[in-house]
Amino acid sequence: GAVVSQHPSWVICKSGTSVKIECRSLDFQATTMFWYRQFPKQSLMLMATSNEGSKATYEQGVEKDKFLINHASLTLSTLTVTSAHPEDSSFYICSASRREGGNNEQFFGPGTRLTVL
Amino acid sequence: LAKTTQPISMDSYEGQEVNITCSHNNIATNDYITWYQQFPSQGPRFIIQGYKTKVTNEVASLFIPADRKSSTLSLPRVSLSDTAVYYCLVGGTSYGKLTFGQGTILTVHP
Repeated sequence: GAVVSQHPSWVICKSGTSVKIECRSLDFQATTMFWYRQFPKQSLMLMATSNEGSKATYEQGVEKDKFLINHASLTLSTLTVTSAHPEDSSFYICSASRREGGNNEQFFGPGTRLTVL
Repeated sequence: LAKTTQPISMDSYEGQEVNITCSHNNIATNDYITWYQQFPSQGPRFIIQGYKTKVTNEVASLFIPADRKSSTLSLPRVSLSDTAVYYCLVGGTSYGKLTFGQGTILTVHP
């Protein structure tokens, strides 16, 4: 149980185009999902917190108009990188939070490799 | 959110026990301690979580002293496939937000 999927697993796009990444919790309902970005040889950096039915909360320094997040259901959150540029090339990882007892457990997706040419 | 400090890297050999210590001096009363493992180009994988004393599961043990200002992840009899980055995180209780530190690169040698 507690599987999180991401689609696509990798994508290559031209500079200036928009790319949508989906994050799904397959066997549980996630009221909260998180989006991270990871550059080579660096740690994961939290970009935003996504709550079902409400606007996402972005971390300082993350442009909300560039990284559009939609959390339309309890099992799906999407991240759209708008007008992508080469510097947006990175590994994007989502996670979904499930409450177990008094604690939130967080499960991570396999990641999406974005390459912007 | 509590900041964590871990060794940048560690080396070990197959069959040995590996202990990775993490310090988190500013841990809050309701914070849990969670360890994740990450292989290249994959999402982090949950290893173990605890609040105090000792927790053990099928892959690892987690030792937490009474003051909870540090924790030690213990991997028994490591193999080459345990070569990965290991992250120690604190928090993630009522809100769920996690902050990743630099992690520890564990390299297991034959």
